[in-house]
Amino acid sequence: DAKTTQPTSMDCAEGRAANLPCNHSTISGNEYVYWYRQIHSQGPQYIIHGLKNNETNEMASLIITEDRKSSTLILPHATLRDTAVYYCIVRVNYGGSQGNLIFGKGTKLSVKP
Amino acid sequence: GAGVSQSPSNKVTEKGKDVELRCDPISGHTALYWYRQSLGQGLEFLIYFQGNSAPDKSGLPSDRFSAERTGGSVSTLTIQRTQQEDSAVYLCASSLRTGLGGTDTQYFGPGTRLTVL
Repeated sequence: DAKTTQPTSMDCAEGRAANLPCNHSTISGNEYVYWYRQIHSQGPQYIIHGLKNNETNEMASLIITEDRKSSTLILPHATLRDTAVYYCIVRVNYGGSQGNLIFGKGTKLSVKP
Repeated sequence: GAGVSQSPSNKVTEKGKDVELRCDPISGHTALYWYRQSLGQGLEFLIYFQGNSAPDKSGLPSDRFSAERTGGSVSTLTIQRTQQEDSAVYLCASSLRTGLGGTDTQYFGPGTRLTVL
């Protein structure tokens, strides 16, 4: 079972920031928060991950609360191509079946012109 | 650089036939995963390869499924005597596994859509 809860869907205006929340209240100390997205009929795309500190890369920013029980993925300037299902995943950073990705339902983000 | 590639992109087969699905991981990535995704469902882990270690086959749903990885690079997933319930998108992912405690960010290919008639 997925260890995260996310809203089913969200809308965002093109050019505005999209803030996608995720709750992971049972996260363990050695579990990372990963975000992937899946555009229709494509393979999942890695976005960002973090352990405790906030992270930023060319795609997004990840804000993790101090107690690590929730996080927010921020797409600073959403475009129509960002319309996708976004998955928040907590996992240990191991290989194999221990570290396999368990995708929940995710959040369907619709970016509108 | 080049990402993970998979072939074919689509495969339609008849029940009872064998199929082979191919995955070319990112160059230099030592770890390779196979998953499948049924319509509207999440990912189901199938098998994991890491370097020269014995693969983790714990996710394979039956003995009709097998996979190999030759030379630590290309992998082939084989499904024998296909059944209709095998219809799904088969996804391959690779990661630059840097050892226990190291990063294991998985990068996915576009998938192979398998339809068993």
